[in-house]
Amino acid sequence: EVSLFESGGDLVQPGGSLRLSCSASGFTFSTCSMSWVRQAPGKGLEWVSTFSFCDGRSYYGDSVKGRFTISGDSSRNTVYLQLSSLRAEDTAVYYCAKNRFGSFDFWGQGTVVTVSS
Amino acid sequence: DIQMTQSPSSLSASVGDRVTITCRASQGISNYLAWIQQKPGEAPKPLIYAVSNLQSGVSSKFSGSGYGTDFTLTINSLQPEDFATYYCQQYSAYPYTFGQGTKLEIK
Repeated sequence: EVSLFESGGDLVQPGGSLRLSCSASGFTFSTCSMSWVRQAPGKGLEWVSTFSFCDGRSYYGDSVKGRFTISGDSSRNTVYLQLSSLRAEDTAVYYCAKNRFGSFDFWGQGTVVTVSS
Repeated sequence: DIQMTQSPSSLSASVGDRVTITCRASQGISNYLAWIQQKPGEAPKPLIYAVSNLQSGVSSKFSGSGYGTDFTLTINSLQPEDFATYYCQQYSAYPYTFGQGTKLEIK
């Protein structure tokens, strides 16, 4: 059974940094892409980033490009999202999602990031 | 970026009704279209991928159609557990984008 578990969310000051982790089980990480999707309070879903374990490529949304870094460790079945230069508008629930040919076929329960002084 | 526009933004319906939600892409996305359900306080749940293919375990009351720029999600015989917010999402090109959501409420 596929399971995704996010961790690392916290309250952080503007300009600060945070690293989110998503540990997975029940499938072979190395053949997949994994993504992060966020949802600000009361708002819709926003794709943040995708990492391809097949070729090591990473992709980012315009709002986080240059500030966030996605990476993965297939030996640990974990994907990470390093958040830097955080802004109030980065406050959101961050979901980890497993990609299947581009769509998301499994989602984690999310981890909360709050950026506030 | 490809913009995804859903209509309506909200919809009231009764138990037993059939409803249709529309999603329009700002440019052609072939069949790279997914539908996602989200209930308050819960993680999103994938429903459909590639326009009309049900994710594992999803009821056949959900169906999707369309190609290119215009897509629909139809839900038959609404039950209380179907009242939620529904999002379309394109994965034809980065950045992946979602529609703004359609909130389905009980009448």
